[in-house]
Amino acid sequence: GAGVSQSPRYKVAKRGQDVALRCDPISGHVSLFWYQQALGQGPEFLTYFQNEAQLDKSGLPSDRFFAERPEGSVSTLKIQRTQQEDSAVYLCASSRRDRVYGYTFGSGTRLTVV
Amino acid sequence: GNSVTQMEGPVTLSEEAFLTINCTYTATGYPSLFWYVQYPGEGLQLLLKATKADDKGSNKGFEATYRKETTSFHLEKGSVQVSDSAVYFCALLNNDMRFGAGTRLTVKP
Repeated sequence: GAGVSQSPRYKVAKRGQDVALRCDPISGHVSLFWYQQALGQGPEFLTYFQNEAQLDKSGLPSDRFFAERPEGSVSTLKIQRTQQEDSAVYLCASSRRDRVYGYTFGSGTRLTVV
Repeated sequence: GNSVTQMEGPVTLSEEAFLTINCTYTATGYPSLFWYVQYPGEGLQLLLKATKADDKGSNKGFEATYRKETTSFHLEKGSVQVSDSAVYFCALLNNDMRFGAGTRLTVKP
């Protein structure tokens, strides 16, 4: 596609509920990244894929967070048993293999846990 | 480790004023440096970039020069407009992309 597409744009979850956030990267971009952006803060790295391989998941805050990209294109970030501190905007970005051209970000999913 | 520090906001300017947002970095090796802009309710958009020392990135009247000697990448614009109101993020790419905390700019008519 022309840009990085994320869905849903907004998600309200009750505490304890599981959520799944979707990211559809730019066609041909081999690298895909998930970031978490708390209110008034910069994005914080969560995890990174190159094609279908998850090369770095060091930023995932707990084992309740899980990401996958099974066919090397669309990615899903899943959060189990959501807690209030999970409320944030979740940003997905993709890039060419040569990342020096920068990342292209989606509009994000705003998750509110109540 | 790699990190970015940018000036805290918020910054409020009148239209046509000169803008500087300071950014300094800590990194090993030779990172690429970026400025991203985020408008309300949107994701981050790449504003400009520089991949090596002394490179100047520029776009839409904004400029930033990669200064290795001072480990800085300050963002400047000679005459801001109301439409420049947004949050600006300085970022560093080494093994991964690291962002500063963001600086909110409000331009008043």
